[in-house]
Amino acid sequence: AQSVSQHNHHVILSEAASLELGCNYSYGGTVNLFWYVQYPGQHLQLLLKYFSGDPLVKGIKGFEAEFIKSKFSFNLRKPSVQWSDTAEYFCAVNAPPGFKTIFGAGTRLFVKA
Amino acid sequence: DADVTQTPRNRITKTGKRIMLECSQTKGHDRMYWYRQDPGLGLQLIYYSFDVKDINKGEISDGYSVSRQAQAKFSLSLESAIPNQTALYFCATSDPDRGGYTFGSGTRLTVV
Repeated sequence: AQSVSQHNHHVILSEAASLELGCNYSYGGTVNLFWYVQYPGQHLQLLLKYFSGDPLVKGIKGFEAEFIKSKFSFNLRKPSVQWSDTAEYFCAVNAPPGFKTIFGAGTRLFVKA
Repeated sequence: DADVTQTPRNRITKTGKRIMLECSQTKGHDRMYWYRQDPGLGLQLIYYSFDVKDINKGEISDGYSVSRQAQAKFSLSLESAIPNQTALYFCATSDPDRGGYTFGSGTRLTVV
């Protein structure tokens, strides 16, 4: 069965620090990969997605993610975080058959001003 | 107006009661989903529908049922609510070609 692992459940950073959130998935075939963000009290919003092509994907708000097929990873990065990045971040993958999307457990990021 | 609208936003109900959560979308997508979010567990898929005539169970469908009344409407029912169904429920829709989900604002359900 497909699964998604997010290594850190809680991350605390100071403003301007660099961010990297890990995500690994288990599925040997073709996958589509996503990162979603959930700001406090809000619904999930799509940050970025990878379907094919350049494995370095740029999303909104300065976020990017790199797909490394050999490592089954899709880590999220941001060079310099802001207080407003405080949120929960979810990695997700979907793959045939059925293209149901499986979500990781989420990583709560707190950015200190 | 929001692309995906869920009602109610908050609900407190008693054990054993039947409750329906409603979802409507204006994206024109065929695919709709119901997820449950619990702290530390991420999102778990309850049911999904790839078109009006297609309904499928997800990972945690026991205790839940759904109805796809139209392309735009997908409701979730708890036939006899129990306290461990207390959670945040999200409806979502997707376009398989463009990828990614559009989520509703969620329904916070408390079963006492």
